[in-house]
Amino acid sequence: GAVVSQHPSWVICKSGTSVKIECRSLDFQATTMFWYRQFPKQSLMLMATSNEGSKATYEQGVEKDKFLINHASLTLSTLTVTSAHPEDSSFYICSARDSTGNTGELFFGEGSRLTVL
Amino acid sequence: AQSVSQHNHHVILSEAASLELGCNYSYGGTVNLFWYVQYPGQHLQLLLKYFSGDPLVKGIKGFEAEFIKSKFSFNLRKPSVQWSDTAEYFCAVNKGSQGNLIFGKGTKLSVKP
Repeated sequence: GAVVSQHPSWVICKSGTSVKIECRSLDFQATTMFWYRQFPKQSLMLMATSNEGSKATYEQGVEKDKFLINHASLTLSTLTVTSAHPEDSSFYICSARDSTGNTGELFFGEGSRLTVL
Repeated sequence: AQSVSQHNHHVILSEAASLELGCNYSYGGTVNLFWYVQYPGQHLQLLLKYFSGDPLVKGIKGFEAEFIKSKFSFNLRKPSVQWSDTAEYFCAVNKGSQGNLIFGKGTKLSVKP
């Protein structure tokens, strides 16, 4: 199947700093990528839809100025958590849909665990 | 509100027991249905999917799921579980091929050897 890679897989940062997480589709092009957040023992909550070449679409309650998303190419989307605080500590997961496919299947990255001290 | 419900939060079984995990959704019209699995420390992987046709779908590792439109359900089954099936299982739904996936809260399966 198609491969989606996230980097870093885990990161620890100090409160107030910014952290960038990358999501890459390795063997396919993705005009649309999705960013999710997963809390312990809970489901994946969609944060935003990242569209190549245009602004991301954020879900209700997600601060777009805090979670900056950039989708500059068909294989890369980035999520930057700005001025991170301990409550931003979470597991962030990206997914991508093959632009040439029509099945609706999403391919998921390994996830990035963020810990803010 | 549109939602996906997974009935069981945590299921504990012994090896060789049969498994059925419930999933119900609240969308009307045509939907695509998925089951994903997340093994400990790993990323989400697709188990199986339903788009159309035979409502009984076969997936990887001996899993299957049945789409019952009248019940808005897509339950996951396996006749005989193994210790290696210990994982978290997520049901997901989307409307159309370009929509986002809406996930259930997940069911943690623990299989005792």
